Amino acid sequence: QVQLQESGPGLVKPSETLSLTCTISGGSIRNYYWTWIRQLPGKAPECMGYIYYSGTTNYNPSLKSRVTMSVDTSKNQFSLKLRSVTAADTALYYCARGYYGGETWAHRGPYSYFYMDVWGKGTTVTVSS
Amino acid sequence: DVQMTQSPSTLSASVGDRVTITCRASQSTSYRLAWYQQKPGQAPKLLIYKASTLESGVPSRFSGSGSGTEFTLTISSLQPDDFATYYCQQLWTFGQGTKVEMK
Repeated sequence: QVQLQESGPGLVKPSETLSLTCTISGGSIRNYYWTWIRQLPGKAPECMGYIYYSGTTNYNPSLKSRVTMSVDTSKNQFSLKLRSVTAADTALYYCARGYYGGETWAHRGPYSYFYMDVWGKGTTVTVSS
Repeated sequence: DVQMTQSPSTLSASVGDRVTITCRASQSTSYRLAWYQQKPGQAPKLLIYKASTLESGVPSRFSGSGSGTEFTLTISSLQPDDFATYYCQQLWTFGQGTKVEMK
């Protein structure tokens, strides 16, 4: 079955860029919305955004100015970069496989849905000097 | 963006109880909901998507309903493995969570 594995530094200095990669095994990268989610200690998860296998991205407006996602179909990997991090970005970061359907994203409405069915185990990133 | 409010925040129940968790969206135009279960030290697990579709392999005691701004997750007969935190999710937004604990 499909498995996801996050990798990257566990410690990042304030003002620097957090970089994570998710490696997909046991399945194809095609036709899915590859998603990054983070969970601050004791809080609910937060979707950071997704990248479709073709490279189309959509980011959570709350993070849009600092986030970049990319995909490498040849390696079955996708990646996250979060710029200008602060201690408030210390969290458990998950990658996940997502589905989107219904109206087009630009015209999403009551028939739209977005959910994640396969998750990685998560990787903890601490922002500290 | 849409805000999701779950109630209750904590729920005390016993094995065999029927449990209902509600999720309300802040806007009248909302999207079809997903529900997740999370246990300590684990990633969230998808239970329900498109408001009422049961994910493959999830026990049939879990069910989802609702549309518009109000959605419900029901566990028909709580089992020992069900003590966990449950989250609703619409697009980018998760609810704040409902912890189901043993009475």
